[in-house]
Amino acid sequence: NAGVTQTPKFQVLKTGQSMTLQCAQDMNHEYMSWYRQDPGMGLRLIHYSVGAGITDQGEVPNGYNVSRSTTEDFPLRLLSAAPSQTSVYFCASRYKGTLYNEQFFGPGTRLTVL
Amino acid sequence: RKEVEQDPGPFNVPEGATVAFNCTYSNSASQSFFWYRQDCRKEPKLLMSVYSSGNEDGRFTAQLNRASQYISLLIRDSKLSDSATYLCVVMDNYGQNFVFGPGTRLSVLP
Repeated sequence: NAGVTQTPKFQVLKTGQSMTLQCAQDMNHEYMSWYRQDPGMGLRLIHYSVGAGITDQGEVPNGYNVSRSTTEDFPLRLLSAAPSQTSVYFCASRYKGTLYNEQFFGPGTRLTVL
Repeated sequence: RKEVEQDPGPFNVPEGATVAFNCTYSNSASQSFFWYRQDCRKEPKLLMSVYSSGNEDGRFTAQLNRASQYISLLIRDSKLSDSATYLCVVMDNYGQNFVFGPGTRLSVLP
């Protein structure tokens, strides 16, 4: 199993550019989510999905879109990049259902917006 | 007030020391609790779940006090390899999303 994979590992964008961060998992997990991590603030939930075709907003959704057309893939789109979106982005997945299912994370994407 | 708060750290301790981390959460309806470990520039990984009765995994002991909305992690006989940031994580009251604390950084010194 590859687990949770993310691409790219690093990205530099100019203000106003758009891009898609890719996330895939091969564990057949129903639940997938995107977080951003900024110094001193911990991980904050951007969007999440409880299954194919179902997405919902987290704590900090503005400026981001997601879709979940398959169980495996959960891309995150930045519509018009802003310097405030400079961050490390983590995708995660887990089985839903019980309360103590482990959440697995991808290796992260380090994004800089100039 | 943040939903999950942790000791600000950093903690610098010698090898072999015992160190304790504290965490408080604001949502009394939170469903489940975890400690994750994050190495520098890496993704978080599950260290241990925290059950109501408290639980132990080798040198690591986790405690939960629901009445005080308080979680702790005790590390005994610290190793250099324990150097990392420890994240307190709480499942929301819908049993759906994780809420992360800001983390406490630990450096174990030779």
